[in-house]
Amino acid sequence: QQQVKQSPQSLIVQKGGISIINCAYENTAFDYFPWYQQFPGKGPALLIAIRPDVSEKKEGRFTISFNKSAKQFSLHIMDSQPGDSATYFCAASMTTDSWGKLQFGAGTQVVVTP
Amino acid sequence: NAGVTQTPKFRILKIGQSMTLQCTQDMNHNYMYWYRQDPGMGLKLIYYSVGAGITDKGEVPNGYNVSRSTTEDFPLRLELAAPSQTSVYFCASSRRVQGTYEQYFGPGTRLTVT
Repeated sequence: QQQVKQSPQSLIVQKGGISIINCAYENTAFDYFPWYQQFPGKGPALLIAIRPDVSEKKEGRFTISFNKSAKQFSLHIMDSQPGDSATYFCAASMTTDSWGKLQFGAGTQVVVTP
Repeated sequence: NAGVTQTPKFRILKIGQSMTLQCTQDMNHNYMYWYRQDPGMGLKLIYYSVGAGITDKGEVPNGYNVSRSTTEDFPLRLELAAPSQTSVYFCASSRRVQGTYEQYFGPGTRLTVT
């Protein structure tokens, strides 16, 4: 049972466009929501993360929007570039989890066309 | 720092064979994890460890074993390889920072069981 549901499975966006990836969770105890970026043949790497005490966090062209009441969060990639072509995973965890375990979404493959 | 290193990068096993996937980190992280990644399924946690001598099962532990004799090393053992274990395996490590855990991933091992 997927505790974090991610959509879409894939998306194609033109250079300069906006990529939007959505995630939903059920466990209200989750209070840490990171996004990981994975390039082909590489391991995932932390891109940006948010805690539920804020509704939005921005780092460069990447923005997380968080809706606690809807139990949803999303990643927006502004001015998408071909170098952003990668697979993106959302994840969730509980900071009270002393093991730091993450629940990952299924991933979204993003292709940015020139 | 090399970060998290994994060996081998690729391996083909016959059904019933055994092998050990190696994982080493040089960041002095206490927490280490093993994941498997299957297409469209995200990352599933196999085993994790909070320090030398302390390990526990994740979401999909069947068919695998781990040990943690040092802070740096966290090998994953497959005893009787089955086709269902064909996957990409990622090792990760983390430390607790302000209540959250940023996981650092290795480059992965692509395993095929035929």
